[in-house]
Amino acid sequence: AQSVTQLDSHVSVSEGTPVLLRCNYSSSYSPSLFWYVQHPNKGLQLLLKYTSAATLVKGINGFEAEFKKSETSFHLTKPSAHMSDAAEYFCVVTPTLGNQFYFGTGTSLTVIP
Amino acid sequence: DVKVTQSSRYLVKRTGEKVFLECVQDMDHENMFWYRQDPGLGLRLIYFSYDVKMKEKGDIPEGYSVSREKKERFSLILESASTNQTSMYLCASSESFPHRGKNTEAFFGQGTRLTVV
Repeated sequence: AQSVTQLDSHVSVSEGTPVLLRCNYSSSYSPSLFWYVQHPNKGLQLLLKYTSAATLVKGINGFEAEFKKSETSFHLTKPSAHMSDAAEYFCVVTPTLGNQFYFGTGTSLTVIP
Repeated sequence: DVKVTQSSRYLVKRTGEKVFLECVQDMDHENMFWYRQDPGLGLRLIYFSYDVKMKEKGDIPEGYSVSREKKERFSLILESASTNQTSMYLCASSESFPHRGKNTEAFFGQGTRLTVV
């Protein structure tokens, strides 16, 4: 069975400081992994994806994530938070074979001025 | 750019009404999905479809049905709306590559916030 655990439901950082949003997964061999962002009353927008190429993945808006198979983790980071980063973030996994997406419960990021 | 369009952003319906939520995608994707999103519960899959006229139940199909008569359109139907179906509903689509065993990402619509009174 596939599952995704986002270890923090809420994260609060000061503007200009690093962001770390944690995600662990259980999945089949060689899953695809994604991070999405959702601003209030909007749909989900893809930040970045890992599909078995480089383990360090760069996304939009300065975000990146590292796939660590030994730790079954796919943590999202950004060196310097901006006010516009305040949103809900979802870690998502799909198994090697199959058409479904499995979502974490989300992490709400607050950026303090 | 892939576009997934949901017919309504906000909807208010009465208990017992039959409600249709429409979703259209313009990239010829095989897979389409309906989720509902509630605070603290994340996204939960209601139904998905991997081809025209094909559908599979997700985690919470009770009280819902779906229709996919054309590849680009996936409709969610609330047969008799109830107040516990008040929620944000998100439609998504994706391509699948079964011969490579990899999915592309899901593309989401803007969501429909449904209130049942």
